[in-house]
Amino acid sequence: GENVEQHPSTLSVQEGDSAVIKCTYSDSASNYFPWYKQELGKGPQLIIDIRSNVGEKKDQRIAVTLNKTAKHFSLHITETQPEDSAVYFCAASGKNRDDKIIFGKGTRLHILP
Amino acid sequence: DAGITQSPRYKITETGRQVTLMCHQTWSHSYMFWYRQDLGHGLRLIYYSAAADITDKGEVPDGYVVSRSKTENFPLTLESATRSQTSVYFCASLIAGRGTGELFFGEGSRLTVL
Repeated sequence: GENVEQHPSTLSVQEGDSAVIKCTYSDSASNYFPWYKQELGKGPQLIIDIRSNVGEKKDQRIAVTLNKTAKHFSLHITETQPEDSAVYFCAASGKNRDDKIIFGKGTRLHILP
Repeated sequence: DAGITQSPRYKITETGRQVTLMCHQTWSHSYMFWYRQDLGHGLRLIYYSAAADITDKGEVPDGYVVSRSKTENFPLTLESATRSQTSVYFCASLIAGRGTGELFFGEGSRLTVL
């Protein structure tokens, strides 16, 4: 089955700097890669996703890149703000986007004042 | 718009007891999922359901039972709770066929097994 590795487990960046979180996946059939943000005491929420036929996708300060050959994808947050402090999860799923979605172990992002 | 609700939000039980965590969604989403969240393990899929009366195992199904007699409800039962099942449990739903792939999560149920 699919296995998703996520690094780093904890990341601290100065406010205004960029943050990068990286994930790798094992199943070459996976073709959908979402990113979720979890704030304290809440359930995760989708913030951005990418499909296998796209190499990069941006939404304001957030971008995701995908390298299918290397089977890795990354989340980039620019101009970080205090409200970006949260746990971020990457995930992968197969040929049907309704397939079971497998998550990485999460990255706790701290934005330092 | 109530969305997806879980109950109870907090539960303390003892080893060997049966516990049921409830999940209810008001959207009529086809797919529903149960995940557990543990430090160092992230979110791990326990069971999922593609529609009423259809369920399938995820990554860590042992010790858990699910049912889906109605589209809107997806209860998770621990038949004989163990300490290793102490965790935060999240229910989620997804619209089939819309192509978004977006999971909508409940706020979680924190279970402590003594």
